[in-house]
Amino acid sequence: NAGVTQTPKFQVLKTGQSMTLQCAQDMNHNSMYWYRQDPGMGLRLIYYSASEGTTDKGEVPNGYNVSRLNKREFSLRLESAAPSQTSVYFCASSEWGRGRDQPQHFGDGTRLSIL
Amino acid sequence: SQQGEEDPQALSIQEGENATMNCSYKTSINNLQWYRQNSGRGLVHLILIRSNEREKHSGRLRVTLDTSKKSSSLLITASRAADTASYFCATAAMDSSYKLIFGSGTRLLVRP
Repeated sequence: NAGVTQTPKFQVLKTGQSMTLQCAQDMNHNSMYWYRQDPGMGLRLIYYSASEGTTDKGEVPNGYNVSRLNKREFSLRLESAAPSQTSVYFCASSEWGRGRDQPQHFGDGTRLSIL
Repeated sequence: SQQGEEDPQALSIQEGENATMNCSYKTSINNLQWYRQNSGRGLVHLILIRSNEREKHSGRLRVTLDTSKKSSSLLITASRAADTASYFCATAAMDSSYKLIFGSGTRLLVRP
């Protein structure tokens, strides 16, 4: 049981390049999330998808777009990468229903450097 | 902005000792959760305490919640070297259905 799988694990981009971070979960969860983690800080929510077909902005959505491809997959796209987007990106998922009472399950992250 | 703030930022203890971490938050919450993050890995859920609960136990973990002070504590008893990690509190606000707001974390080092 893989849980939440993120690809790639590492990536180096040049300023202005675009890329898509992939996330897939095999726990049949309805809700999925994208966070970024910067040194010495907690996680900040970029976007989330409460259920298939819906997406909403989180705390720091500027410069990002997301696609909930199906129930399993939730991708994060950087259209024109900037050095300020250098970070570790985490995808997470959780059960539906009383979503606030459900723990989130995390992938191991994508370490992204933008030069 | 960060909702939860952990204290201390870093903690170093000897194996076998207890470790206590504190979390303060600002707004009314539905629940508060604690997560552990090992170096280079994703977060792992440890325990969830609802706003109407005051204390919860799970193995060597004990969590308390004081909604009047908007604070929580995580106690790890009889610590082990394997407990070395960063610990984060996360709050689910009353007015947001699915979003968790994470604190900046406590880095715990357990010396063998």
